[in-house]
Amino acid sequence: KAGVTQTPRYLIKTRGQQVTLSCSPISGHRSVSWYQQTPGQGLQFLFEYFSETQRNKGNFPGRFSGRQFSNSRSEMNVSTLELGDSALYLCASSLRTGGGGELFFGEGSRLTVL
Amino acid sequence: DQQVKQNSPSLSVQEGRISILNCDYTNSMFDYFLWYKKYPAEGPTFLISISSIKDKNEDGRFTVFLNKSAKHLSLHIVPSQPGDSAVYFCAASYGTRNMRFGAGTRLTVKP
Repeated sequence: KAGVTQTPRYLIKTRGQQVTLSCSPISGHRSVSWYQQTPGQGLQFLFEYFSETQRNKGNFPGRFSGRQFSNSRSEMNVSTLELGDSALYLCASSLRTGGGGELFFGEGSRLTVL
Repeated sequence: DQQVKQNSPSLSVQEGRISILNCDYTNSMFDYFLWYKKYPAEGPTFLISISSIKDKNEDGRFTVFLNKSAKHLSLHIVPSQPGDSAVYFCAASYGTRNMRFGAGTRLTVKP
């Protein structure tokens, strides 16, 4: 059974640019969550999608957005990049929405903003 | 909003000894708790979980203890092995609310 796949694995952008990250969940999983990992801050929740609908949202500015397609694949977009957006962005899939179940993580997309 | 806190950023133990990783939470609504383990350049992987109706869950060398009155949970690894060296994240959730993670504790097990 294939795991969660995130692309690209690494990318470098400059301030002001925008970036789109992609996540393919485990087959059969309808929930996709996105997290930002930075040193000392742990995993900060960005948002969760279930059946193409955003179900939960974390405390991030509107520059961070996402969507989910009918095949459960998800993308997140960050516009007007700032230096502080440099982080590892992790996608996780699960069978159910929200908590109460195990999350399966991808290897992450490491974004560096120069 | 740091609803889940891991106050020790790092922990070092000798191989064969016990490792105890701690986690505190502030939201009394949390009813499901998990521990994840993360190696460099990999995503976190699920390790063990516990629901609020229990106070202990054991899986091989790993045991999670939950103290609801103190809003505290801990992960015990006995005996610790060098391959256990990783960052451990505590997570909590309730209902359909998203999972909240702590900042992580880097465990180093010395041979």
